[in-house]
Amino acid sequence: GEDVEQSLFLSVREGDSSVINCTYTDSSSTYLYWYKQEPGAGLQLLTYIFSNMDMKQDQRLTVLLNKKDKHLSLRIADTQTGDSAIYFCAESIGRYIPTFGRGTSLIVHP
Amino acid sequence: EAQVTQNPRYLITVTGKKLTVTCSQNMNHEYMSWYRQDPGLGLRQIYYSMNVEVTDKGDVPEGYKVSRKEKRNFPLILESPSPNQTSLYFCASSWERGSTKNIQYFGAGTRLSVL
Repeated sequence: GEDVEQSLFLSVREGDSSVINCTYTDSSSTYLYWYKQEPGAGLQLLTYIFSNMDMKQDQRLTVLLNKKDKHLSLRIADTQTGDSAIYFCAESIGRYIPTFGRGTSLIVHP
Repeated sequence: EAQVTQNPRYLITVTGKKLTVTCSQNMNHEYMSWYRQDPGLGLRQIYYSMNVEVTDKGDVPEGYKVSRKEKRNFPLILESPSPNQTSLYFCASSWERGSTKNIQYFGAGTRLSVL
């Protein structure tokens, strides 16, 4: 099986909250990341969380980490059409190159 | 401005005609990687390099070559391209010495079509 798994699609209505989920297998992971890929562009780091944290909030973004279940989620409050993108979950052990999930396409409709 | 630059952005070629996609970073990063992105398959690592003159295979290295002769450059070489290498390619760089985490910086992508 894959090291990092996430669902391929999520569709939400504008103004609702979006929750993108991710599971990983390596219990040694020290950093978990969320990247965003807008149409026609490369991936850009959205946020990250250190493995000894449970939650990190940054404006409309909330990252929740359940280390026991190896589950990571990204919540986007008040989702806007500009949030439509592909979101990638990634995990790394310290300074080593992260392992990426397949990406979740977030579709925001009016 | 900190960036990863890859060229060309778009390339159409024919089967068997050797090509090189260049990648350069200006952040003094130690690590560099190449990925390909295909619908439904997500991002797959082709090759990576953790130091000058050190390269390692990723998940899908067949049909590709790389070199890391200097820190800032990491070209991707397709000696004999085939249609199944039609894809969107990304170069990434990461990690400054002393950092505890690895944030990847990606180029804008190269869309390759092999006819």
